[in-house]
Amino acid sequence: EADIYQTPRYLVIGTGKKITLECSQTMGHDKMYWYQQDPGMELHLIHYSYGVNSTEKGDLSSESTVSRIRTEHFPLTLESARPSHTSQYLCASRAGPPSYEQYFGPGTRLTVT
Amino acid sequence: SQQGEEDPQALSIQEGENATMNCSYKTSINNLQWYRQNSGRGLVHLILIRSNEREKHSGRLRVTLDTSKKSSSLLITASRAADTASYFCAIRGGSEKLVFGKGTKLTVNP
Repeated sequence: EADIYQTPRYLVIGTGKKITLECSQTMGHDKMYWYQQDPGMELHLIHYSYGVNSTEKGDLSSESTVSRIRTEHFPLTLESARPSHTSQYLCASRAGPPSYEQYFGPGTRLTVT
Repeated sequence: SQQGEEDPQALSIQEGENATMNCSYKTSINNLQWYRQNSGRGLVHLILIRSNEREKHSGRLRVTLDTSKKSSSLLITASRAADTASYFCAIRGGSEKLVFGKGTKLTVNP
């Protein structure tokens, strides 16, 4: 099991609410990622970080924001949730060379009603 | 696009049979990785193959890479019911990002 954690695992919330999805890892990885995945579909990169105080938008346009104040912590925030945000959100961190593998958290399944 | 495309989209086999999944891509790559995802969970890294490698093994897994055809295959030998999952290839090109395909859904029937 990878040492990367996500909370909450499941969240049902009403439209317009502000939410923060938490992600933390204890492996000391500099690089971290957020993906969005609809059931049975591919992963879309929405944010990534190369290290503390570094954040970049990914390939899929997202209304969320992220921060990276500590190496181990990479939270994702939605200022105003909408039904179109209903999806699974996966956090990952990446090992350095020679491995390069990404370690994934268990995911947060978000439903916005 | 750099995205890998897996084929087939779904595969159903009997326990003990071999399962082969293919991934095709369009750009040059640094490495190609395969991941497994059990229903509703995060992904688990299976194997990485670099652009200068042609074949790698890990337990019951065998991965091949043909850069001239821009394709890779994942073979699972002697499949088990526990192998039932979705399998994704992921492409790493020149950037730090991995680009995932849509996955192959494998069902192994006991």
